[in-house]
Amino acid sequence: AQTVTQSQPEMSVQEAETVTLSCTYDTSESDYYLFWYKQPPSRQMILVIRQEAYKQQNATENRFSVNFQKAAKSFSLKISDSQLGDAAMYFCAYRIANGGSQGNLIFGKGTKLSVKP
Amino acid sequence: DAGVIQSPRHEVTEMGQEVTLRCKPISGHNSLFWYRQTMMRGLELLIYFNNNVPIDDSGMPEDRFSAKMPNASFSTLKIQPSEPRDSAVYFCAISVWGSDTEAFFGQGTRLTVV
Repeated sequence: AQTVTQSQPEMSVQEAETVTLSCTYDTSESDYYLFWYKQPPSRQMILVIRQEAYKQQNATENRFSVNFQKAAKSFSLKISDSQLGDAAMYFCAYRIANGGSQGNLIFGKGTKLSVKP
Repeated sequence: DAGVIQSPRHEVTEMGQEVTLRCKPISGHNSLFWYRQTMMRGLELLIYFNNNVPIDDSGMPEDRFSAKMPNASFSTLKIQPSEPRDSAVYFCAISVWGSDTEAFFGQGTRLTVV
């Protein structure tokens, strides 16, 4: 069975600094997608960034980037120039890519990020 | 833009009562998911539908839980009878046809069973 592990329940970063959130996953599949979702206190789940497993190039979205290591089954999120609005729970998620638009996401337990002014 | 409206935002009920959570996807999609979020267990998939048909309900914890999707614009998750351990945030999410690599979430319903 596929699993997603986030080993850091809580992280803290100084405003304007860089922080990296860790995620590892376990799967026997070769084709899949990986995601990072942000959940602020409003509870809304917001997609931050996604990575297709068949792409070697790491995804980037403005201040957010990932370090995707397929062989190591590692998918870390780097937030550069951290802002107060980045404070939230961050969830790593996995989805197998085997046909259709099922979008069945498997989530890690989350990392609570605090940003200090 | 895909969107999901969930109601109510908050629900407090007494143990033993029936609870119905609602989800209205705003725009086109072909899959709908119900997730439950708790501190202890994180985000758990309860059930999902494809083209309004339930595909996998193995995550539904007990027979007290049931879900329906009578049409593409509406789904319900019902708990009868409710128990305190059902207290959680329940999310509805959709996957959009042609954009099938992510899911769009509603804002969730916080259920408290006392």
